[in-house]
Amino acid sequence: QVQLQESGPGLVKPSETLSLTCTVSGGSITGYDWSWIRQPPGKGLEWIGYVFPSGHTNYSPSLKSRVTISLDTSKNQVSLKLNSVTAADTAVYYCARQVEQQLEQKHYYYMDVWGKGTTVTVSS
Amino acid sequence: DIQMTQSPSSLSASVGDRVTITCRASPSISTYLNWYQQKPGNAPKLLIFAASILQSGVPSRFSGSGSGTDFTLTISSLQPEDFATYYCQQSYSTWGTFGPGTKVDI
Repeated sequence: QVQLQESGPGLVKPSETLSLTCTVSGGSITGYDWSWIRQPPGKGLEWIGYVFPSGHTNYSPSLKSRVTISLDTSKNQVSLKLNSVTAADTAVYYCARQVEQQLEQKHYYYMDVWGKGTTVTVSS
Repeated sequence: DIQMTQSPSSLSASVGDRVTITCRASPSISTYLNWYQQKPGNAPKLLIFAASILQSGVPSRFSGSGSGTDFTLTISSLQPEDFATYYCQQSYSTWGTFGPGTKVDI
């Protein structure tokens, strides 16, 4: 079955750029949307954004100015870049597959496969 | 922006109890509502989408209902493996806001 694995530096300095990769195995990244979600320590889930198969993206309004999500179909990977990080960006970062399902002429979206997450700490 | 709230924020229950968690959206989101379960140290797991459709492989003791602004997740008979935090998420808008979560413990 499809499995997702996040990877990247566990420690990033303030003002620098956080860069993470989600490697997809057991299936192709083409044909699906791919999301990034984060969870600060002891807090709830925050949706960051997602990328369509076309490469078009949607981002959370609160992060839009700092975030870039992209696809590398040759490597079957999804990447996340978040620039100008502060301590408030310390979190577990998850990637997830977003599925679209049409029911009764409505298009529903949900995240059915998640990676295990990777912890990123922002500190000097 | 669509705002999501959940109640209660936490609850204590026993094995075999019927548990109901409420999620409220503002403004209305029709049935564009997902439920996830998260256990400590683990990634969230999809339980229900489209407000009431059970994801494949999820036990039938879980059920969801509601539309518009008010939604519920019900666990008909709580099992030891159900102690976790539950999140609702709206998929009505282009960015999928999560609720703050409801922690279910013993």
